[in-house]
Amino acid sequence: SQQGEEDPQALSIQEGENATMNCSYKTSINNLQWYRQNSGRGLVHLILIRSNEREKHSGRLRVTLDTSKKSSSLLITASRAADTASYFCATDDGTGFQKLVFGTGTRLLVSP
Amino acid sequence: GAGVSQSPRYKVAKRGQDVALRCDPISGHVSLFWYQQALGQGPEFLTYFQNEAQLDKSGLPSDRFFAERPEGSVSTLKIQRTQQEDSAVYLCASSPRVDGTEAFFGQGTRLTVV
Repeated sequence: SQQGEEDPQALSIQEGENATMNCSYKTSINNLQWYRQNSGRGLVHLILIRSNEREKHSGRLRVTLDTSKKSSSLLITASRAADTASYFCATDDGTGFQKLVFGTGTRLLVSP
Repeated sequence: GAGVSQSPRYKVAKRGQDVALRCDPISGHVSLFWYQQALGQGPEFLTYFQNEAQLDKSGLPSDRFFAERPEGSVSTLKIQRTQQEDSAVYLCASSPRVDGTEAFFGQGTRLTVV
């Protein structure tokens, strides 16, 4: 498999703090997506950034993409306990096809 | 319902048993994917359908794994002669887009082979 790598593997913060997680990938891509997965639940799509974009915002989320470094970051501002989840980046495999290649994930714990 | 529905939610199978996992995608979604997620890992691609056509099955780990979507809606992932390494969560996702972006995932089926 061609999973990317995410760091940190685990992150523990207090409510109100910002959380930053990073993702690196291996191949050229057309787009990169971030997903959230709560314990026992499916993946929820958060945001998509295309290869020709450098930054994108959605509510409290900010995503950056550096294709020269093959890396992306997800920033969650003013975190809440409800943000506790695992976060995964996912890329297409660069061939123009549809399957997603997921990273190993960052487990975020937000304490009240 | 409005989302992707998978059944059963949990399945315990004895080693050697055959299992069938069902996915009901969002109505009208053209793309359907199956992923396998081992404990503590990210999902890994198994197979992709565009309507009823299985366009990519490169992720299926062995010939014991078989998927179908005969009428372009409901899909079934079948695993024959299950083995312990098949224990994982099996996720189904559907997308209204041909390029499969912004897919909606079901809650998954957790398969435990004992």
